[in-house]
Amino acid sequence: EPEVTQTPSHQVTQMGQEVILRCVPISNHLYFYWYRQILGQKVEFLVSFYNNEISEKSEIFDDQFSVERPDGSNFTLKIRSTKLEDSAMYFCAGAGRNYGYTFGSGTRLTVV
Amino acid sequence: GESVGLHLPTLSVQEGDNSIINCAYSNSASDYFIWYKQESGKGPQFIIDIRSNMDKRQGQRVTVLLNKTVKHLSLQIAATQPGDSAVYFCAEKDPSWGKLQFGAGTQVVVTP
Repeated sequence: EPEVTQTPSHQVTQMGQEVILRCVPISNHLYFYWYRQILGQKVEFLVSFYNNEISEKSEIFDDQFSVERPDGSNFTLKIRSTKLEDSAMYFCAGAGRNYGYTFGSGTRLTVV
Repeated sequence: GESVGLHLPTLSVQEGDNSIINCAYSNSASDYFIWYKQESGKGPQFIIDIRSNMDKRQGQRVTVLLNKTVKHLSLQIAATQPGDSAVYFCAEKDPSWGKLQFGAGTQVVVTP
């Protein structure tokens, strides 16, 4: 069964540093998403991406965040200057035309 | 049930019994609903979905019920097994760009 692959599985970074979280979506997916989950809390929407541009973003997704799909396959989330409160699990997800939604296994980001 | 913060509602179920997990959703325009299972350190795993034009859908050992009148969703797990122990989230899909809004989750603990 096709999978959404995320790397790295765990990233530790110092406050103020930039991080890039990477995702390889399923090839026939059209819609791409990033979500995050702070420990013990619910999964929160960050951003949706369609046709090589952001289609919707949440209040969490401020100027420190950006997304790219640079080569038509990888889908990245960049946090420019990390804060302690950015520590969370970050999930990439993709969906095709007919609703099917698949999540990756996540990247645990720890900001110290 | 739903809660906020670190205190997930917990459902303790004896192995072999049936489980019912409830969820209230917020957007009457949501057109698609999904139940996810999340085990510790992993991404959300799809269990079953239902479109808004249905009120019941059955899978293997699982049934989802949708009551649009009161914006309520439930997941029934038949003959609960130890491997069913996890956090269960409901999610509603926004009909525009497809973002999912997750509920707070319910911790299911299966006891022998």
